[in-house]
Amino acid sequence: QKEVEQNSGPLSVPEGAIASLNCTYSDRGSQSFFWYRQYSGKSPELIMSIYSNGDKEDGRFTAQLNKASQYVSLLIRDSQPSDSATYLCAVRYGGSQGNLIFGKGTKLSVKP
Amino acid sequence: GAGVSQTPSNKVTEKGKYVELRCDPISGHTALYWYRQSLGQGPEFLIYFQGTGAADDSGLPNDRFFAVRPEGSVSTLKIQRTERGDSAVYLCASTPGGGREQFFGPGTRLTVL
Repeated sequence: QKEVEQNSGPLSVPEGAIASLNCTYSDRGSQSFFWYRQYSGKSPELIMSIYSNGDKEDGRFTAQLNKASQYVSLLIRDSQPSDSATYLCAVRYGGSQGNLIFGKGTKLSVKP
Repeated sequence: GAGVSQTPSNKVTEKGKYVELRCDPISGHTALYWYRQSLGQGPEFLIYFQGTGAADDSGLPNDRFFAVRPEGSVSTLKIQRTERGDSAVYLCASTPGGGREQFFGPGTRLTVL
C-alpha cells in the first residue's frame, strides 16, 4: 500500500514567519514529488514540483527532498494571510505520467 | 491560455440515478486524469487516459464507474446507479505530452440524495 502522510494541522504561524510543511512517503520507488495549494471550496493548484534530492526554490517557496529518508517538505518564507490554505503533498510512483498519490493535506493558518 | 474546464460545476441527483461528468483538458494535453476528493481527504485517483485509451483504471471503485475519451480530448466520467457514498468533488487534471506536472480543473461537486 503506497501511502503519503502529512500532519493534518492546523498549523498556525504569524504573518512574516516561516511556515514548514512536512510529508513522508512509503515507497522508495517514488520519482516525482509535488506540492499543491488548495483554498477552501477550490481545486488544487500546483505550486512546486521536485524530482531530485536537495532544495528547489521558487520565490517565497522552497521544496526540499530527501529520498533516503523518504521525506519531502515545503517552506514558505515571509508567510502572508493569503497563504492560509490546505497544502497537499503528492507523490508519483514510477513513470513520468502515472497517477499521483496524495496526502490528506495540512491546513495552514497565517495570522495577521 | 484556457485551463482545464469541468461541467457541471454542481450536480445533485437522487440515489439510483445515472450521471455524466465532463472534463475538457488544456488544449494539446495528451494525458487526462480523474480523481475524486471527499471532505477532509486528499484527491483519490480514479482513472488515467493517454490519448484515447485508458492507461490505468485501477482506481475505479467498482463497475458502476466508467470513463471514456473517444477523440483524445474531452472525457466523460459516467456513474450508474449512484449511491450516497459517491458524493464527492470529482476532479479532472491534464498533462502535456512528455510532461510530469498535472493541472487541475475546478471540479464537479456531486451530491447524491
